[in-house]
Amino acid sequence: NAGVMQNPRHLVRRRGQEARLRCSPMKGHSHVYWYRQLPEEGLKFMVYLQKENIIDESGMPKERFSAEFPKEGPSILRIQQVVRGDSAAYFCASSMTGQVNIQYFGAGTRLSVL
Amino acid sequence: KQEVTQIPAALSVPEGENLVLNCSFTDSAIYNLQWFRQDPGKGLTSLLLIQSSQREQTSGRLNASLDKSSGRSTLYIAASQPGDSATYLCAVANGQNFVFGPGTRLSVLP
Repeated sequence: NAGVMQNPRHLVRRRGQEARLRCSPMKGHSHVYWYRQLPEEGLKFMVYLQKENIIDESGMPKERFSAEFPKEGPSILRIQQVVRGDSAAYFCASSMTGQVNIQYFGAGTRLSVL
Repeated sequence: KQEVTQIPAALSVPEGENLVLNCSFTDSAIYNLQWFRQDPGKGLTSLLLIQSSQREQTSGRLNASLDKSSGRSTLYIAASQPGDSATYLCAVANGQNFVFGPGTRLSVLP
């Protein structure tokens, strides 16, 4: 049973480009959470999705950031027109039920904006 | 708004010592509390999960306690080893997601 898979592991973008981060949850999990870890800071919640629905996006920046979790395929975190301040590690977690019980984390995607 | 703090921010101990990491949270209305380990450049590894109705959990050399009323949890590591060197994160399940503490960076010296 594969764990939470994130790709790519490392992503380099120039300012103004788009970044697309992918997360495939564990088998049987329909709830996905995205977190961001800025350099020398703790993990911060960004968004919680269930298949085809955004449940809580209170941690998402108001502009340039969007997330989706389609019926088929992985969850996507999309950052448009990246800036240097977007450089961070982005972690995805998944859980089987909506009530936060155990969240399983992926290895993360490290985004570097040049 | 839930806030999670961890003390100390960093800790360096010689191999073999027993040690305690502390976590505090401001809102006691939590579902559970989880301790994670993060190695440099890596993801998170779940160590222990304590449900809100539980007082402690044990796994090998690790023991985590939870006192909801005082908003505190401790992670006890017995007989520390150099392989325990990592950042330890405390996370509180609040509503639909986790609120993380800033972590304790542990170095165990051989």
